[in-house]
Amino acid sequence: RKEVEQDPGPFNVPEGATVAFNCTYSNSASQSFFWYRQDCRKEPKLLMSVYSSGNEDGRFTAQLNRASQYISLLIRDSKLSDSATYLCVVTRPSGNTPLVFGKGTRLSVIA
Amino acid sequence: NAGVTQTPKFQVLKTGQSMTLQCAQDMNHEYMSWYRQDPGMGLRLIHYSVGAGITDQGEVPNGYNVSRSTTEDFPLRLLSAAPSQTSVYFCASSYRTGGIYEQYFGPGTRLTVT
Repeated sequence: RKEVEQDPGPFNVPEGATVAFNCTYSNSASQSFFWYRQDCRKEPKLLMSVYSSGNEDGRFTAQLNRASQYISLLIRDSKLSDSATYLCVVTRPSGNTPLVFGKGTRLSVIA
Repeated sequence: NAGVTQTPKFQVLKTGQSMTLQCAQDMNHEYMSWYRQDPGMGLRLIHYSVGAGITDQGEVPNGYNVSRSTTEDFPLRLLSAAPSQTSVYFCASSYRTGGIYEQYFGPGTRLTVT
């Protein structure tokens, strides 16, 4: 099983739709979780951290399920500007690669 | 603050040539790292540093060297370029507080090796 797995998509959704991405991770000892956003031909940028109790930032909601080892990102009222690739990022508890990046899920919001 | 800067933005090399990708940050971050991003492969860690004078290997270090003589700078050296090193290279930096890292990425260097 890969350390971090994401559905690559693409997810093509109309403006205003709600869309959700899941990400599974294999190391049950992982402590910290993040969603990054990467626009085409640009650098990744932190979208939000994922806390155990779940957290919300405007139209974005992140959830963590430790028992099933997955995190999710929900985007409500999708905008054209949400079109990007969303990277799931998990910390390793030890070793020389502290952050493990998923390959990303591509979202395309269509007018 | 300029954040994380990388030079050059684009580079074409011939097989066997060497070059240095530059990375600098002005946020006084202890942790700096180099990633490469290839289609379908995601971001892979090449080398990283937890402070000046300290470097370590990541997942894919072969063919690359790094040094960290100052907190601000973390150059990546390609020793003898190969076509397999054609990729987009990102430098990143972060604090290390409480075990939670927010990484700030530079704009990337697009390298083609012919």
